[in-house]
Amino acid sequence: DGGITQSPKYLFRKEGQNVTLSCEQNLNHDAMYWYRQDPGQGLRLIYYSQIVNDFQKGDIAEGYSVSREKKESFPLTVTSAQKNPTAFYLCASRTGDHEQYFGPGTRLTVT
Amino acid sequence: QKEVEQDPGPLSVPEGAIVSLNCTYSNSAFQYFMWYRQYSRKGPELLMYTYSSGNKEDGRFTAQVDKSSKYISLFIRDSQPSDSATYLCATRKGSQGNLIFGKGTKLSVKP
Repeated sequence: DGGITQSPKYLFRKEGQNVTLSCEQNLNHDAMYWYRQDPGQGLRLIYYSQIVNDFQKGDIAEGYSVSREKKESFPLTVTSAQKNPTAFYLCASRTGDHEQYFGPGTRLTVT
Repeated sequence: QKEVEQDPGPLSVPEGAIVSLNCTYSNSAFQYFMWYRQYSRKGPELLMYTYSSGNKEDGRFTAQVDKSSKYISLFIRDSQPSDSATYLCATRKGSQGNLIFGKGTKLSVKP
């Protein structure tokens, strides 16, 4: 089955800890994205990567970091510098010029 | 002015009704428009995309773009309880395939 997987589905962390969210795709897509979704806020772009070993900041990159060492994988680290990390995090990959396909999401709760 | 605006609703309709979901956008250079459906606690799924002006139909769904008024619409005919979800409009910004999303409209179809 082709698709995008995100793990885990739910994640709980204490304030001050870094946490890494996994995103894997077997669609052979070059471009991958990380979004954050908060109630009433829609989707906001954190980071994106057009190709392996390259990535760019999105609109709300502060407090986050990413890597893109393999085409299939685009992990997101939420650092302790992120002021409000509790949110629903969505990974996507793109085929063609604009069609993005999303994973199932990871709900992160930081207390 | 936000680049993409969408009424968050909620919108409640009886089963079988025709549903109209709408977004406005600010930049006349936008050409690609997408509609995503998102069930609660899931990732968004791509429903339809359109290019430039006109209509596109897929089963019970019709996407419409009016570039003169910068208005995009999604119509759902013979709505079903399974259509209950949040619907997100999106448009492509720039040449790198990045998307801008509306905040989403929550739809509830009552049996």
